[in-house]
Amino acid sequence: AQKITQTQPGMFVQEKEAVTLDCTYDTSDQSYGLFWYKQPSSGEMIFLIYQGSYDEQNATEGRYSLNFQKARKSANLVISASQLGDSAMYFCAINANYQLIWGAGTKLIIKP
Amino acid sequence: DGGITQSPKYLFRKEGQNVTLSCEQNLNHDAMYWYRQDPGQGLRLIYYSQIVNDFQKGDIAEGYSVSREKKESFPLTVTSAQKNPTAFYLCASSNWGRHEQYFGPGTRLTVT
Repeated sequence: AQKITQTQPGMFVQEKEAVTLDCTYDTSDQSYGLFWYKQPSSGEMIFLIYQGSYDEQNATEGRYSLNFQKARKSANLVISASQLGDSAMYFCAINANYQLIWGAGTKLIIKP
Repeated sequence: DGGITQSPKYLFRKEGQNVTLSCEQNLNHDAMYWYRQDPGQGLRLIYYSQIVNDFQKGDIAEGYSVSREKKESFPLTVTSAQKNPTAFYLCASSNWGRHEQYFGPGTRLTVT
């Protein structure tokens, strides 16, 4: 069965610094996808970035990049030049059949 | 604007009453999903539907029911059989063949 582990319950980061949020996964599938979502205090889940298991390049979307290390089963999210608006919960997820399996999340707080 | 709407944002009910949460999308997505989120936790799948008139149970379907009579709509009924219904409920949709899911703003249900 697929599983996502996010080991950092919370993080404090100074504004404008880069942030790395950890995600490790477990799956027996050869083909899979990894996702990161942001959940602000309003509650809505916002899709950030996707990495396919066969993608050779690490995914990037603006200030977000995914540090994908397949052999280590790791899919860390990197946010460059953090902003106050980045304060939120961040969730990593992996697709399994037609579902997404979610981690418990990391609460990121950006300090001014 | 295309998107997913959920109503209402806050819902209060007495124990023993059934309640139906609305979810509508105008993204022309084939698949729709219902998740439950408890404080400090990730998302757990309740039900999902890949096509009209068909739906599948997720990990925590007991005490819930759904229907999918139209592509745009996927209402969730929280029945009196659900032992602990107070939670944040999120609806999502995705396109066939693509895995990222897009979410509505959520409904916060409180049962007393």
